[in-house]
Amino acid sequence: AQRVTQPEKLLSVFKGAPVELKCNYSYSGSPELFWYVQYSRQRLQLLLRHISRESIKGFTADLNKGETSFHLKKPFAQEEDSAMYYCALSGWSGGYNKLIFGAGTRLAVHP
Amino acid sequence: KAGVTQTPRYLIKTRGQQVTLSCSPISGHRSVSWYQQTPGQGLQFLFEYFSETQRNKGNFPGRFSGRQFSNSRSEMNVSTLELGDSALYLCASSPVTGDEQYFGPGTRLTVT
Repeated sequence: AQRVTQPEKLLSVFKGAPVELKCNYSYSGSPELFWYVQYSRQRLQLLLRHISRESIKGFTADLNKGETSFHLKKPFAQEEDSAMYYCALSGWSGGYNKLIFGAGTRLAVHP
Repeated sequence: KAGVTQTPRYLIKTRGQQVTLSCSPISGHRSVSWYQQTPGQGLQFLFEYFSETQRNKGNFPGRFSGRQFSNSRSEMNVSTLELGDSALYLCASSPVTGDEQYFGPGTRLTVT
């Protein structure tokens, strides 16, 4: 069965510190992984997807198939990074493609 | 392209009543998904529709139902409302199932 696990509900760091939001997944095939972000009073929106291999707002995420992880990283956190972050996995199940979200991690960046 | 729209944006209902929420997807998108978002439970998947057929369903009671019309617009209905149904209900659309989802602003439902 497909599953996405985000072990931390809350991650609290100081401005300028490195950030790593953890995401582990369970899927038997080759998944497509996404990170979504929700800033205060804004819509949930796509931050990045692993197939594009882009760095968005300084964030990167590498798919590690051996560890079944897709951790989101940023070397120096900014206060404006404070938001709710969701990891999501897309994979085939029951004859069609399905997108599953993790429970989310709230990132709080303090001055 | 216009984004995903949801109506109404805010709703206050009384326990025991029913409610219908509406979602208009991005033009050309045939998949519509619904989520319940609460501070305690986070983002929980309700159901997904594609070409008027329910493709996937989350673990919610039968009081929660939905449908999709031929123009891809979707509605979700909650009957016999409970206090615990108070939440932000999000709709998301995508061109096909499992693809990048575009979210609407949500409908804030308060049950008193």
